[in-house]
Amino acid sequence: AQSVTQLDSQVPVFEEAPVELRCNYSSSVSVYLFWYVQYPNQGLQLLLKYLSGSTLVKGINGFEAEFNKSQTSFHLRKPSVHISDTAEYFCAVTRVASYGKLTFGQGTILTVHP
Amino acid sequence: KAGVTQTPRYLIKTRGQQVTLSCSPISGHRSVSWYQQTPGQGLQFLFEYFSETQRNKGNFPGRFSGRQFSNSRSEMNVSTLELGDSALYLCASSLSGTSGRGSYNEQFFGPGTRLTVL
Repeated sequence: AQSVTQLDSQVPVFEEAPVELRCNYSSSVSVYLFWYVQYPNQGLQLLLKYLSGSTLVKGINGFEAEFNKSQTSFHLRKPSVHISDTAEYFCAVTRVASYGKLTFGQGTILTVHP
Repeated sequence: KAGVTQTPRYLIKTRGQQVTLSCSPISGHRSVSWYQQTPGQGLQFLFEYFSETQRNKGNFPGRFSGRQFSNSRSEMNVSTLELGDSALYLCASSLSGTSGRGSYNEQFFGPGTRLTVL
């Protein structure tokens, strides 16, 4: 089975400051890793994914994440946040060759203050 | 291309009733997955359907069931509602729902159905 731990439930930050949202995972088999964003009253939108290859993954809206196999981590970063980045962020994994099942972390609420 | 649509968006039911939620996937997508989102348990996988067959199932009681039609539209049903079933129910569609080495069919999520059980 897979599990995901998001280390911070809430992260407040000022506009234009850098931010890192932390994610650790546990799995005995190969997995793919994802970050999703959820704005109020909306579904989930994929920010970025790691399937294989380069461990630094770039996504939409200026976000990037680094896969670290030895530390089983997949932290999300953005060098300069905007007010519009205020949302809830979910780290997720899925087992390679699985059917539809994503396992999510508990979420991190990012609040960007002016 | 239209996104994933879910109906209704909001629903209020009372304990003991049953409810049916609907999900229309993106055109051409044949896999539909369902998730329950609650403040306490977070996002949890319910089940996945492909070509009218359930291929994967999460750890939910038998009161939660689903089906998929030949046009890939899916419904989920919850019988004998409990207060704890109050949640946002999300569905997601993908081309095939499967992933292989180095490839992945992205899941696209709908806006969800907010179910409140009184």
